[in-house]
Amino acid sequence: KAGVTQTPRYLIKTRGQQVTLSCSPISGHRSVSWYQQTPGQGLQFLFEYFSETQRNKGNFPGRFSGRQFSNSRSEMNVSTLELGDSALYLCASRQAGGAADTQYFGPGTRLTVL
Amino acid sequence: KNEVEQSPQNLTAQEGEFITINCSYSVGISALHWLQQHPGGGIVSLFMLSSGKKKHGRLIATINIQEKHSSLHITASHPRDSAVYICAVRVAGNQFYFGTGTSLTVIP
Repeated sequence: KAGVTQTPRYLIKTRGQQVTLSCSPISGHRSVSWYQQTPGQGLQFLFEYFSETQRNKGNFPGRFSGRQFSNSRSEMNVSTLELGDSALYLCASRQAGGAADTQYFGPGTRLTVL
Repeated sequence: KNEVEQSPQNLTAQEGEFITINCSYSVGISALHWLQQHPGGGIVSLFMLSSGKKKHGRLIATINIQEKHSSLHITASHPRDSAVYICAVRVAGNQFYFGTGTSLTVIP
């Protein structure tokens, strides 16, 4: 099976713009979670989607949003970009989203905001 | 205060040494994960624990639920083990909290 894929891998935007990142989970996986990783804050949980519904959300402002499609692919959107949004954005998929499921991470999208 | 604390932050070892990385947490958890991140960003899930001990090759992970503490051990360390090791806990509602990571360098 193919692993988790994320597109694009690298992205440069300017302040005030918006960005959409895409994540394709492993085939058959229904849960997709998004994480932000920065040198200062480390890894932080953004949100989780399961069967097209947002199941949980971390402590991020409303500028960060996401959605999941019927084929389990997920997108994450950040509006009105700020310099501090520069980070590695990782998504991870799990089969059914239960506590016993292993997460499989994608390679990440490195976003730079100028 | 961080919900998850890891120690040490940085660790340098000689090839063949036994390595221990520690993780303490302050919240009730449903599971604890150990992750490995290599330069370039790719993350691999090494272990998921809710009790006891797990072993995979040269890696051993233990958890003490009462003491809210977990350890990751690497036996016979090798330069290819050089990476950042991250402890993550899953809490109610499927939220995750992460430690800041331990950067391990194994010197040949």
